[in-house]
Amino acid sequence: DAGVTQSPTHLIKTRGQQVTLRCSPKSGHDTVSWYQQALGQGPQFIFQYYEEEERQRGNFPDRFSGHQFPNYSSELNVNALLLGDSALYLCASSILAGGDQETQYFGPGTRLLVL
Amino acid sequence: AQTVTQSQPEMSVQEAETVTLSCTYDTSESDYYLFWYKQPPSRQMILVIRQEAYKQQNATENRFSVNFQKAAKSFSLKISDSQLGDAAMYFCAYRIQTGTASKLTFGTGTRLQVTL
Repeated sequence: DAGVTQSPTHLIKTRGQQVTLRCSPKSGHDTVSWYQQALGQGPQFIFQYYEEEERQRGNFPDRFSGHQFPNYSSELNVNALLLGDSALYLCASSILAGGDQETQYFGPGTRLLVL
Repeated sequence: AQTVTQSQPEMSVQEAETVTLSCTYDTSESDYYLFWYKQPPSRQMILVIRQEAYKQQNATENRFSVNFQKAAKSFSLKISDSQLGDAAMYFCAYRIQTGTASKLTFGTGTRLQVTL
């Protein structure tokens, strides 16, 4: 049973560029959440996708956008990169059934460095 | 807004000893979940233990147990018989569900060192 996978593992971009990060959820999961973890901090919620729609969004600008595909995989896009976007981006998957089943399981993350 | 506070940036424990990591949270909700996640240097966030707010019984998972004090909004993690592999960042997290969405709010973490 494959867990949550993310690609790429590392990425280096320059300011102003655009980046796309990818996530495949754990088998049987239908909900994907994205988090940004700056160095030395706890993860911060970016947004959550279910049924190909953004269901909830954290305090992040519109430069951060996402998508969920019919197979439940997801992409996180960041436009006009800033130095402050350098962080570990974590994807988490869960089942939208409430209760215990909605525990979020995390992928290994994508380390983004913006120069 | 929900907040999660971990007041211990770093903790140290000797192998085979017991250590307790503290976490407090602030919420006006009555139905929620609390979690402890472990993040080793490999960066993967690993679920350690989960507690439902409506359950009075403290959750346990092998060497890991929690002390959940709902009225005090406190959720500490006890690690018994500490092992070298327990060394990691530990994050306390709070989850609330609104409609068809939910999100985790994390604390700033506690770095646990395990010494011989």
